[in-house]
Amino acid sequence: SSELTQDPAVSVALGQTVRITCQGDSLRSYYASWYQQKPGQAPVLVIYGKNNRPSGIPDRFSGSSSGNTASLTITGAQAEDEADYYCNSRDSSGNLVFGGGTKLTVL
Amino acid sequence: QLQLQESGPGLVKPSETLSLTCTVSGGSISSSSYYWGWIRQPPGKGLEWIGSIYYSGSTYYNPSLKSRVTISVDTSKNQFSLKLSSVTAADTAVYYCARQLSWGTPIPHDAFDIWGQGTMVTVSS
Repeated sequence: SSELTQDPAVSVALGQTVRITCQGDSLRSYYASWYQQKPGQAPVLVIYGKNNRPSGIPDRFSGSSSGNTASLTITGAQAEDEADYYCNSRDSSGNLVFGGGTKLTVL
Repeated sequence: QLQLQESGPGLVKPSETLSLTCTVSGGSISSSSYYWGWIRQPPGKGLEWIGSIYYSGSTYYNPSLKSRVTISVDTSKNQFSLKLSSVTAADTAVYYCARQLSWGTPIPHDAFDIWGQGTMVTVSS
C-alpha cells in the first residue's frame, strides 16, 4: 500500500476547474511531483517543486500544498486532459513513493 | 534533446533474473544534477518506484524490492541497468527508466522529468 493517498476517480465538466489531491504525512516535509499518463503512453511530468511546470506544459496546470495534502489543479479542463494522474514524493523513511493514481474523466 | 530507451528481454522465466538496460542519448549520464531511476507498472495498476542511481554509482532502492534489486551504471556507454532476481508473475509489468531531478538540502526533493517509452516484461514459463 502507498503512503500517498489519491482518490481513484474524479470527473470534471469541459472548461471547468478540477483539483486532484494527494495526502500523506510526508508531504508536510517534501514537495510532490505530478504526472499525467494517457493509455499506452509513458507518464509525463506536469508539476514539480513548489509549483513549477516543465517546458511545454500548459499554464492551466498548477500545484499547491497545505499541511499533509498536495493538490494539482487544472483550470479550464480540456478534453485532452482526460488521463490518469499520479503524485510522487518521499515517504516518512525518505524512500520515493507514488500515489495510487487518479483517473480523470472530462465530461 | 535528451532521450532514454529501455532494452532487454520481453519474456523471463520464473525464478530467473530480469535484466534491462537504459541507454541515454542527447546528453550525459554524468550530470551532477540528476539521478537515474527505474519505475514499473503492472498491467492495469499504478506506478512503483524500483530504485535510483547516481553517476558515481551511489544507489538507493525500494525497501520492498531491495533484496532482489541491483542497479548499476556504465558512464562510458551512457547507460544504466536493472537486475531483478528470483522473479515471479507478480513482477510482470511495463518497466520504465527515467531521469530524476533531485534538489534541496537538507531535505531532498525529486521529480522524474524525462521518461523512456517503457518496455513490457512478462514472467512466464
